[in-house]
Amino acid sequence: KQEVTQIPAALSVPEGENLVLNCSFTDSAIYNLQWFRQDPGKGLTSLLLIQSSQREQTSGRLNASLDKSSGRSTLYIAASQPGDSATYLCAAPTGANNLFFGTGTRLTVIP
Amino acid sequence: EAGVAQSPRYKIIEKRQSVAFWCNPISGHATLYWYQQILGQGPKLLIQFQNNGVVDDSQLPKDRFSAERLKGVDSTLKIQPAKLEDSAVYLCASSFGREFTGELFFGEGSRLTVL
Repeated sequence: KQEVTQIPAALSVPEGENLVLNCSFTDSAIYNLQWFRQDPGKGLTSLLLIQSSQREQTSGRLNASLDKSSGRSTLYIAASQPGDSATYLCAAPTGANNLFFGTGTRLTVIP
Repeated sequence: EAGVAQSPRYKIIEKRQSVAFWCNPISGHATLYWYQQILGQGPKLLIQFQNNGVVDDSQLPKDRFSAERLKGVDSTLKIQPAKLEDSAVYLCASSFGREFTGELFFGEGSRLTVL
């Protein structure tokens, strides 16, 4: 069974700082890896999807990388803003029928 | 493009009562998922539909949970009777293709509190 771990569980940074969130997974036979954002009391919003054949994806100030061989993905956020405060989750599907989520990293960007 | 719609957003019931949640996926999305998210945890898949057929319900507590997706569009998730440990947010998601090869789109969720 796939296990997805996210470290740290919580992170506080001052506004403007660059930061990295980490995601590790035990089964490297993944279809893709997805990063989501979840605001309090809300559903999940897809941020980036990296296919298993790709190494990274970029969207605005976000850059996600994937290293299947080491079972790791990182989400890099440049020039953080208070509006980036949320919980960030990664998810990695292996078989056809399940998407395993990490427990998330709760990010607080301090103005 | 309209997103995934869910209702109700909030529900408070007493244990042993029943509750139903509704989900309308993005138009044209063949695959629909129900997830349970307990506070502080990542979402856990309960059931996955491909059109109106069940693909995976291995983690659905079938003694009290049921779900259906009639006509391959809307879906309902029912809990009867509810237990205290069912307190969670129930998230519906949909995707265009089969399996998890594409992007998932989530609804806002239905928060259930069982007293």
